[in-house]
Amino acid sequence: ELKVEQNPLFLSMQEGKNYTIYCNYSTTSDRLYWYRQDPGKSLESLFVLLSNGAVKQEGRLMASLDTKARLSTLHITAAVHDLSATYFCAVDPSNTGKLIFGQGTTLQVKP
Amino acid sequence: DTGVSQNPRHKITKRGQNVTFRCDPISEHNRLYWYRQTLGQGPEFLTYFQNEAQLEKSRLLSDRFSAERPKGSFSTLEIQRTEQGDSAMYLCASSITAGEKLFFGSGTQLSVL
Repeated sequence: ELKVEQNPLFLSMQEGKNYTIYCNYSTTSDRLYWYRQDPGKSLESLFVLLSNGAVKQEGRLMASLDTKARLSTLHITAAVHDLSATYFCAVDPSNTGKLIFGQGTTLQVKP
Repeated sequence: DTGVSQNPRHKITKRGQNVTFRCDPISEHNRLYWYRQTLGQGPEFLTYFQNEAQLEKSRLLSDRFSAERPKGSFSTLEIQRTEQGDSAMYLCASSITAGEKLFFGSGTQLSVL
């Protein structure tokens, strides 16, 4: 069975702190996606990682991909309240857009 | 705004009724996808189209569900004889072609009473 597992599922952190969200997947996939979802809203694309060793950064978020370990990380630097949301990783093993999502990590950044 | 548009945003219905949702993808996007998301979970794939052709349907899509994309532009998802277990957010997404990034719409929240 294809599985995408995120860790942790819930994260409460203070503003200014750093933390990492982990995404493990059980099948080979050429690409990995990170999405953000605010409560009651749709999914906003954050990163598309296309190859082993890929690293992308946008503001306080940095994502990396290790296809050999089947692991992606989303690192948060100096968190701010505006980053509070649920973050999903997803893989596309068949390159068809049939994404398999993780359970999501709900991030709560406290002042 | 040229993003993915979904209507209605919310739908409340009684068990046993039929409902239909509409999705307008980004113009010139050949691929259109339907996903379902329940509270506290990640989205789950339901079905997708390449232009007007429906290429794959998930096992989650029972016989009560049908999706169409008649002219390769907008798509509809119909649920017949709704059940309480159908309550979820139904998300539509589109991409310009296979393997490209998916852009999601705001979703239709279905509540079956």
